[in-house]
Amino acid sequence: AQSVAQPEDQVNVAEGNPLTVKCTYSVSGNPYLFWYVQYPNRGLQFLLKYITGDNLVKGSYGFEAEFNKSQTSFHLKKPSALVSDSALYFCAVRHLTNSGYALNFGKGTSLLVTP
Amino acid sequence: GAGVSQSPRYKVAKRGQDVALRCDPISGHVSLFWYQQALGQGPEFLTYFQNEAQLDKSGLPSDRFFAERPEGSVSTLKIQRTQQEDSAVYLCASSPRTGGGPDTQYFGPGTRLTVL
Repeated sequence: AQSVAQPEDQVNVAEGNPLTVKCTYSVSGNPYLFWYVQYPNRGLQFLLKYITGDNLVKGSYGFEAEFNKSQTSFHLKKPSALVSDSALYFCAVRHLTNSGYALNFGKGTSLLVTP
Repeated sequence: GAGVSQSPRYKVAKRGQDVALRCDPISGHVSLFWYQQALGQGPEFLTYFQNEAQLDKSGLPSDRFFAERPEGSVSTLKIQRTQQEDSAVYLCASSPRTGGGPDTQYFGPGTRLTVL
């Protein structure tokens, strides 16, 4: 089965410092990997995805993620964190269901950026 | 443009009541998904539509859950005889094309269901 794991429940970082939110995957074949962000009382917002090609994927709001096949990781990164980046972050992998496809999500990582 | 919308945003039901949750996907999107997000967890897949056809309902937790998309646009998730364990946020997502591709899924704000 296709799955992702987010090993950290919470990540704390000071504003202006680089941030990393970790995600590892377990898939058969080539993975389609996604990052979403969830602000309080709001739905999931798409940040970026990896399909194929360059291992460094750039997304919305200055975020990027690095696909590492040897380490089966897809960590989310940002060079300089903002207080407004504080939110819940979900890594996801596309998986095939009975007759289609869906996303399998990690349990989420809460990011807190302090001034 | 307009994104995915869901209504109501909040629903409180007494145990045993039936509820209906509505999703308006992005116009023209072929695929529609329902997910359930329990408190402190990631979303979990419930069911998938391609136009009006429900191609996968393997994630529905019981036969009390029923979803439809009769005209290939708006979808309704119905829960009969609600139980406390049904309390969760129900998320709807849509994507432009049919299954098999790496399409991005665009999510609505969700409906928070609380069963008392």
